[in-house]
Amino acid sequence: AQTVTQSQPEMSVQEAETVTLSCTYDTSESNYYLFWYKQPPSRQMILVIRQEAYKQQNATENRFSVNFQKAAKSFSLKISDSQLGDTAMYFCAFEVSGNTGKLIFGQGTTLQVKP
Amino acid sequence: DTGVSQDPRHKITKRGQNVTFRCDPISEHNRLYWYRQTLGQGPEFLTYFQNEAQLEKSRLLSDRFSAERPKGSFSTLEIQRTEQGDSAMYLCASSSTGTVHEQYFGPGTRLTVT
Repeated sequence: AQTVTQSQPEMSVQEAETVTLSCTYDTSESNYYLFWYKQPPSRQMILVIRQEAYKQQNATENRFSVNFQKAAKSFSLKISDSQLGDTAMYFCAFEVSGNTGKLIFGQGTTLQVKP
Repeated sequence: DTGVSQDPRHKITKRGQNVTFRCDPISEHNRLYWYRQTLGQGPEFLTYFQNEAQLEKSRLLSDRFSAERPKGSFSTLEIQRTEQGDSAMYLCASSSTGTVHEQYFGPGTRLTVT
């Protein structure tokens, strides 16, 4: 069975600095998708960034980038130039194969950006 | 495009009562997902639909839970004989078959069973 593990329950960072959130996963599949979702306090979950496993190049979206290490089954999220609006819970998620779109989420990391 | 909407946003009920939640997906999305999220945890998959067909149900979905998506538009999730362990946030998400790798989430319905 696929599992997703986020080992950092809480993190904090000073505004304008860089922070990295960790995620590891377990699967026997060779092709899959990985995601980072952001859930701000009392607001709905939004997709931050997506990585396709067959692509070697790490995905980037403005200030957000990932470090995808397929052999190590590691998928970390780097947030550069942190902003107060980045304060949220961040979830790493794995998409189950078979084109169902079904997601398996990690436990989440609460990130606080301090002014 | 108004995004995914869910109703109600909050529901407080007494143990043993039945509750029903509604999800309206983005209009052109043919896939609809239900997840349950307990406090401080990540969402857990419950079930999903493609158009009106329910294609998969999690083992988390006991016989007290039922979901429908008549006509492939909105969906309802009903919980019968609620228990305190049902207290959670129920999230709905939608996507289209062409962009299945991008789900859009609703704001959720927070259920409290007293």
